[in-house]
Amino acid sequence: AQSVTQLDSQVPVFEEAPVELRCNYSSSVSVYLFWYVQYPNQGLQLLLKYLSGSTLVESINGFEAEFNKSQTSFHLRKPSVHISDTAEYFCAVSVSGSARQLTFGSGTQLTVLP
Amino acid sequence: DAGITQSPRYKITETGRQVTLMCHQTWSHSYMFWYRQDLGHGLRLIYYSAAADITDKGEVPDGYVVSRSKTENFPLTLESATRSQTSVYFCASSPTSGRTDTQYFGPGTRLTVL
Repeated sequence: AQSVTQLDSQVPVFEEAPVELRCNYSSSVSVYLFWYVQYPNQGLQLLLKYLSGSTLVESINGFEAEFNKSQTSFHLRKPSVHISDTAEYFCAVSVSGSARQLTFGSGTQLTVLP
Repeated sequence: DAGITQSPRYKITETGRQVTLMCHQTWSHSYMFWYRQDLGHGLRLIYYSAAADITDKGEVPDGYVVSRSKTENFPLTLESATRSQTSVYFCASSPTSGRTDTQYFGPGTRLTVL
């Protein structure tokens, strides 16, 4: 079975500073990888995903993540954060042929400080 | 475009009572999922459904029952609520086409069992 580890439960960062949210996974087969974002009192929204091809994937609001197979990682980065990026971020993995089941990490609360 | 809705948004019940959480999607997605979200655990899959009349257990199914007589609805029933089932419950759906595996989440139901 696959698993996901998000190493940091809380990440405080000042506005306009860079940020990295770490995600490591374990799986014996090929995986699809996702980052979801949850704003307060809302459901989860897809931020970006890796299915195949280029290992660097980007979102429309400036986040990017790189799939590193040798390190089994899928860290999320943004070069300059805004107050509006304050949210909880979840890394998730899906295994091909798993009926689209997602296994989530425990989440990282990103708080952007003025 | 209503998307995916959940009702009620908030529910308080007592130990031993039966409660049903509703989930409705307007996209005709084949796959539907129920998760619970608890602090420190991220989201954990309770049950999922690949199509009408096809359901299967996820990671934490004990104490829950699901049904799916119509593609658009996927109710979750707690047959005899316990305090450990106090949680935020999210419903999600995913299309069949392609390899995308993307799941689309509802706004959640906050359930408190006294």
